Amino acid sequence: SQQGEEDPQALSIQEGENATMNCSYKTSINNLQWYRQNSGRGLVHLILIRSNEREKHSGRLRVTLDTSKKSSSLLITASRAADTASYFCATDTSYNTDKLIFGTGTRLQVFP
Amino acid sequence: GAGVSQSPRYKVAKRGQDVALRCDPISGHVSLFWYQQALGQGPEFLTYFQNEAQLDKSGLPSDRFFAERPEGSVSTLKIQRTQQEDSAVYLCASGLTASTDTQYFGPGTRLTVL
Repeated sequence: SQQGEEDPQALSIQEGENATMNCSYKTSINNLQWYRQNSGRGLVHLILIRSNEREKHSGRLRVTLDTSKKSSSLLITASRAADTASYFCATDTSYNTDKLIFGTGTRLQVFP
Repeated sequence: GAGVSQSPRYKVAKRGQDVALRCDPISGHVSLFWYQQALGQGPEFLTYFQNEAQLDKSGLPSDRFFAERPEGSVSTLKIQRTQQEDSAVYLCASGLTASTDTQYFGPGTRLTVL
């Protein structure tokens, strides 16, 4: 079963616009991660945010975490056509750190 | 340096055949994970190794699925008597430490069972 639900399921924007995708999860966590998956490829780790952090930046990425609402958001600023991919959030759980539980993903399409 | 590699990249099997999927993790990585990804879905956890020890196999869908990592490096996921519902992409990931922080994924093996 998948812990995370991502919203929206699909997003289409023009180059230069910002893209925001949201993730909700069900149980207490130690950390939340975002991964990108290009079509037919494996996943690439983007950013990790720990449960005691509220916001984190990496280049054009900004991630927020609200543990009271069990939700996170990923903002990609000044999007590029190369950002076209599926984006997944993944969490561990505070009672089982052996595995990551992935969300259902957001398919982002950036048009040049 | 080399990333995680998986072979074969594509596998077509007839229903009832056994298949073996190989994962070569990044050298020196302690943790190794297998995931199953159905079309249009996120990866779902299958099993986890810390070195050669299989510490969690709670995600394996049936006793037809078996994974091993005998020397703490290369891992093999074996599926016996494949069924059509086994068709999916099987992803392997490795991590430097024993935790779930930052996993490095291979390209996956796409299994199609006819």
